Amino acid sequence: DTEVTQTPKHLVMGMTNKKSLKCEQHMGHRAMYWYKQKAKKPPELMFVYSYEKLSINESVPSRFSPECPNSSLLNLHLHALQPEDSALYLCASSQVYREGYGYTFGSGTRLTVV
Amino acid sequence: GDSVTQMEGPVTLSEEAFLTINCTYTATGYPSLFWYVQYPGEGLQLLLKATKADDKGSNKGFEATYRKETTSFHLEKGSVQVSDSAVYFCALGASGGSYIPTFGRGTSLIVHP
Repeated sequence: DTEVTQTPKHLVMGMTNKKSLKCEQHMGHRAMYWYKQKAKKPPELMFVYSYEKLSINESVPSRFSPECPNSSLLNLHLHALQPEDSALYLCASSQVYREGYGYTFGSGTRLTVV
Repeated sequence: GDSVTQMEGPVTLSEEAFLTINCTYTATGYPSLFWYVQYPGEGLQLLLKATKADDKGSNKGFEATYRKETTSFHLEKGSVQVSDSAVYFCALGASGGSYIPTFGRGTSLIVHP
């Protein structure tokens, strides 16, 4: 299995809703990442987990809450989002958290906040 | 800080034309370099990589050579196909003590039959 699987593929939520994005990989990778990508822009890093511990939070608002329950699974909990949070949310993984290893990206969850 | 500069798109070509997408970088140290491709409605896929100077990465007919003297990593393909239409991102691996890669702005490629 050489994939990163993200669910759901599409999500529409209201500003008062609570929802979660899920990411799963079975490649034995020990680093997992959340990225946010707006249309026609490169992905922007949100969070990094290394060995199931949060290593980096790129000053992301608290309405986004990451969770790494085990080495294969990464969640992003969403609460009280704003319309400007609408974007493609990408999960990625790599063998370890160091340079020289390319990431494997999932196909993303396209989120629309109404 | 580290940065990646990519040529602005879109790049529009006819099928079987030669492709070059320019990428130059500024970095501390000697990072790895990557090209990612993003097809419409999908995530990013690693296309090729090079980990040290003079390395050539290649995949699916695409090539790029790590040129330290010109700090460049230009993407080339000899004969593009309609199916190559996508956005291409040049990326700099971590360097200077930071493990966060740096992405270029992306270059859209449109190939017409």
